[in-house]
Amino acid sequence: GAGVSQSPSNKVTEKGKDVELRCDPISGHTALYWYRQSLGQGLEFLIYFQGNSAPDKSGLPSDRFSAERTGGSVSTLTIQRTQQEDSAVYLCASGQGSSYGYTFGSGTRLTVV
Amino acid sequence: DQQVKQNSPSLSVQEGRISILNCDYTNSMFDYFLWYKKYPAEGPTFLISISSIKDKNEDGRFTVFLNKSAKHLSLHIVPSQPGDSAVYFCAASAYRSGNQFYFGTGTSLTVIP
Repeated sequence: GAGVSQSPSNKVTEKGKDVELRCDPISGHTALYWYRQSLGQGLEFLIYFQGNSAPDKSGLPSDRFSAERTGGSVSTLTIQRTQQEDSAVYLCASGQGSSYGYTFGSGTRLTVV
Repeated sequence: DQQVKQNSPSLSVQEGRISILNCDYTNSMFDYFLWYKKYPAEGPTFLISISSIKDKNEDGRFTVFLNKSAKHLSLHIVPSQPGDSAVYFCAASAYRSGNQFYFGTGTSLTVIP
């Protein structure tokens, strides 16, 4: 597709359930980021994939969060045993390198009730 | 620890006037900076970038200024238009840190017709 696609666009889940968020980056983009934006906060870095290198997971807030990127393309972010503080908009971005900026998806709005 | 700071959460400007959005950073290793614009319910979109070898980059109505000694950058929009009303995020990265981007908390710009 022409842009970064994220699904679902909205997700309401019960506390304690697991959720999986999907990101389809722009074809050919080697870099992929996950960020989240909580209400009234800035963009918080979660994880960064670059080509075949080991991902930078330094932003993942706890071991309940994990992400993978299969075949250098689609990425899934999994949150296990969701908590109310996980409620946020989760944004995915892909790019070819910093000189070109990164293209963001529209995000997945996660609400944990 | 917020490495990129946008100390003004909001700014209002009359149409036709100049909008100046400010951003400060703490990490002297940052060597690449970007500005993103975000409308409600959409992902951020890349606006303009600057590398540390420059102190100014201009693209149409948008100009980014970088003052490395002060660890400060600013985005100037001239003339401001109502369609510029959005949240603006600055972001910084360090090549040696694998290009992980650190975002500020954003400044909400309102251009008054």
